[in-house]
Amino acid sequence: DAGVIQSPRHEVTEMGQEVTLRCKPISGHDYLFWYRQTMMRGLELLIYFNNNVPIDDSGMPEDRFSAKMPNASFSTLKIQPSEPRDSAVYFCASRGWEGTGELFFGEGSRLTVL
Amino acid sequence: QKEVEQDPGPLSVPEGAIVSLNCTYSNSAFQYFMWYRQYSRKGPELLMYTYSSGNKEDGRFTAQVDKSSKYISLFIRDSQPSDSATYLCAMITSGTYKYIFGTGTRLKVLA
Repeated sequence: DAGVIQSPRHEVTEMGQEVTLRCKPISGHDYLFWYRQTMMRGLELLIYFNNNVPIDDSGMPEDRFSAKMPNASFSTLKIQPSEPRDSAVYFCASRGWEGTGELFFGEGSRLTVL
Repeated sequence: QKEVEQDPGPLSVPEGAIVSLNCTYSNSAFQYFMWYRQYSRKGPELLMYTYSSGNKEDGRFTAQVDKSSKYISLFIRDSQPSDSATYLCAMITSGTYKYIFGTGTRLKVLA
């Protein structure tokens, strides 16, 4: 399997623009997570899905952030409108329901909002 | 107060040294404990996983959990330059999938 695939790897945009980050989880994994990583706050859980249904979105910072999972192989995280404080690396991760519960992370999307 | 506290470092050690990395937590409901390693500009990867108090060993790595003190540690023996990375502790409660991570400790092993 190719692992968790995220796109774009890098995104530079201007304040006020819409940003869409994409994620393809590992096939067969039924949990999908979105994290944000910054130097100051570390790795923060934004939202996670089980079988395409959002289970916990308490980490989503505000209404400007939204996440969807229309099917088992695709998820998006959207920021509209973007602000400079949204600059961070956004990670998607997935896991199956059995085993050690290991989270498999993608390589991240580095977002810079000017 | 954060649920999980971890010293961000950076920590610089000479090759061959024993490294000790630590996390403290406040939520006594945490039952599963993990250490992830993250190389620069990469996603974190699972290094070790444990769910009970005591020690778990895997090669040069030992994970230690003390639930009574709410304290977990990762020891690296005979550290190598290839161990240079950020190490993140993570934990979850039973019955949930809300993985909470520490901020990570940056480790540099000097050749």
